[in-house]
Amino acid sequence: NAGVMQNPRHLVRRRGQEARLRCSPMKGHSHVYWYRQLPEEGLKFMVYLQKENIIDESGMPKERFSAEFPKEGPSILRIQQVVRGDSAAYFCASSPSASSYNSPLHFGNGTRLTVT
Amino acid sequence: AQSVSQHNHHVILSEAASLELGCNYSYGGTVNLFWYVQYPGQHLQLLLKYFSGDPLVKGIKGFEAEFIKSKFSFNLRKPSVQWSDTAEYFCAVNRRGRDDKIIFGKGTRLHILP
Repeated sequence: NAGVMQNPRHLVRRRGQEARLRCSPMKGHSHVYWYRQLPEEGLKFMVYLQKENIIDESGMPKERFSAEFPKEGPSILRIQQVVRGDSAAYFCASSPSASSYNSPLHFGNGTRLTVT
Repeated sequence: AQSVSQHNHHVILSEAASLELGCNYSYGGTVNLFWYVQYPGQHLQLLLKYFSGDPLVKGIKGFEAEFIKSKFSFNLRKPSVQWSDTAEYFCAVNRRGRDDKIIFGKGTRLHILP
């Protein structure tokens, strides 16, 4: 039973390029959350998606960032025209339903984005 | 805005010492509370959770946490730590019935000396 799969593990981009981070939730999970981790700042909520729907994107920067979770395939976090400040670890988590006692979040190993 | 505060960023203890990591949250409504742990090189894992009932919850590996509603706190404890407890610990809160996102604290790095 594979866990949450994120790829790539490490991604290096030059300023101005695009970064695409992928997350395949656990089998049977239809809820996906993206978090960003900066040093000494903990995990910052970015966006919560269900299949084909963005439920809560209150943590997403207004520009350059977008997320999707299509009917088929992984969830994608896309960062256009990356800047050095985008360098961080990006974590995806999934759950079978909305957060509840019986469905805590399951996390992936994260993608570490470095912008040079 | 809702927030989660973890009082210590770094904690260093010797093996067999007792541990208490503080966590306070700012939301006044009904909450679900969690502690997650991230061992070196691994992904975050759920350590324990509180939704309702007994405010003293027991988790894996001998950890427990106590929900004190009047203090808006959910401190993590372990009576005797081991070297293998070296990890980063995150407190998290979810506002029940309001939204489904989970808000995390900044984390506490725990280093256990052998």
